Amino acid sequence: NAGVTQTPKFRILKIGQSMTLQCAQDMNHNYMYWYRQDPGMGLKLIYYSVGAGITDKGEVPNGYNVSRSTTEDFPLRLELAAPSQTSVYFCASSLVSGSLGEQYFGPGTRLTVT
Amino acid sequence: QQQVKQSPQSLIVQKGGISIINCAYENTAFDYFPWYQQFPGKGPALLIAIRPDVSEKKEGRFTISFNKSAKQFSLHIMDSQPGDSATYFCAASSGGANFNKFYFGSGTKLNVKP
Repeated sequence: NAGVTQTPKFRILKIGQSMTLQCAQDMNHNYMYWYRQDPGMGLKLIYYSVGAGITDKGEVPNGYNVSRSTTEDFPLRLELAAPSQTSVYFCASSLVSGSLGEQYFGPGTRLTVT
Repeated sequence: QQQVKQSPQSLIVQKGGISIINCAYENTAFDYFPWYQQFPGKGPALLIAIRPDVSEKKEGRFTISFNKSAKQFSLHIMDSQPGDSATYFCAASSGGANFNKFYFGSGTKLNVKP
């Protein structure tokens, strides 16, 4: 049981490039989330999914896209990378939503856009 | 507007001392208040959580104190150990069966000196 896995661990992008951050979970969780963590700012929700085929925007969705074709995978796509997207990205999953379910976090992807 | 305000930003405590981290919120609909612990290079992990029907919850050396009227809650770490050195995040969420977002505080970096 690997829990929540994320790849890559680190990435440097040039302005305007695109990339996909991968996230997978093997706990058969319905809910999956993408957060970004900026220094001194806590975690902010980018996108979330309540099940395969269903996604919705969080607090800071601009510049990102997601898809959820399977229960296990929830990739985050960055189009036209900007310096403001330099951050640490965390994927998380939970069996149920909100206060009913503990969120399990992956180890994170540190992204730098220059 | 930050939904959950956390203080202090950093904290240095001697081994064996008590570490106290405070959080405040405004939204009275919040009814679930977890604390997450994050070690360097790792994702956050649930440490302890409380619902507002109790004023205190204790798990080992970790205690949450909750003051509903003041809309504040705090984490107390008794007999702090160097292994407790990590970043701690408070969070808040509202309950119910629909999807509910977590709002995270900005984090407190705890350093326990040997």
